[in-house]
Amino acid sequence: QSALTQPASVSGSPGQSITISCTGASSGVGSYDHVAWYQHHPGKAPKLMIYEDTKRPSGVSSRFSGSKSGNTASLTISGLQAEDEGDYYCCSSAPDNPRVFGGGTKLTVL
Amino acid sequence: QITLKESGPTLVEPTQTLTLTCTFSGFSLTTAGVGVGWIRQPPGKALEWLALIYGTDDKFYSPSLKNRLTVTQDTSKNQVVLSMTNMDPVDTATYFCCYDVLWGFWVWGPGSLVTVSS
Repeated sequence: QSALTQPASVSGSPGQSITISCTGASSGVGSYDHVAWYQHHPGKAPKLMIYEDTKRPSGVSSRFSGSKSGNTASLTISGLQAEDEGDYYCCSSAPDNPRVFGGGTKLTVL
Repeated sequence: QITLKESGPTLVEPTQTLTLTCTFSGFSLTTAGVGVGWIRQPPGKALEWLALIYGTDDKFYSPSLKNRLTVTQDTSKNQVVLSMTNMDPVDTATYFCCYDVLWGFWVWGPGSLVTVSS
């Protein structure tokens, strides 16, 4: 069981916005440690979408945004597109664990 | 351009030691704050962080696997090597190495599928 909890699945229609949450058990998310988000399409290498809680790497669409409040980080995707479908993982630190991934969220674009 | 590529056996027998090599280019591990991480994904399951190594030779391991993992670097060859002892069928996974900086895994290798079976 991951120290970071994500919903197993979310879905939305094209053009809509969705938010994926990532909740830390106690510390980690919400403390000094930063959260990153990854998009993963099966058979491909994961892609960094958000780092240091809210920052977007060059080349990542502005439709992707990150936020953090208390012990919960969130990834919001606005203007959903078919190519956004895939798995999304948060990654942060947990007590005694320099890096830990959430359990992953499967995004379905209806 | 930063690239990484994993190499090693595709099939390992139970109880054997797995040795994977990550060969990278486009960056130096001697740069402050730069590291190489290892992550795996069993079929149909979530990503799991395994280890991190920095140019200072600081090393970090997943608490659940630290007794089985060793990560080393060869800066002259631009390589990082991950060893995992006592392999079990549950360790069957795709293993990735990544370029790590600013709390993120920015660039990933294509991954190496390792099957543990007799």
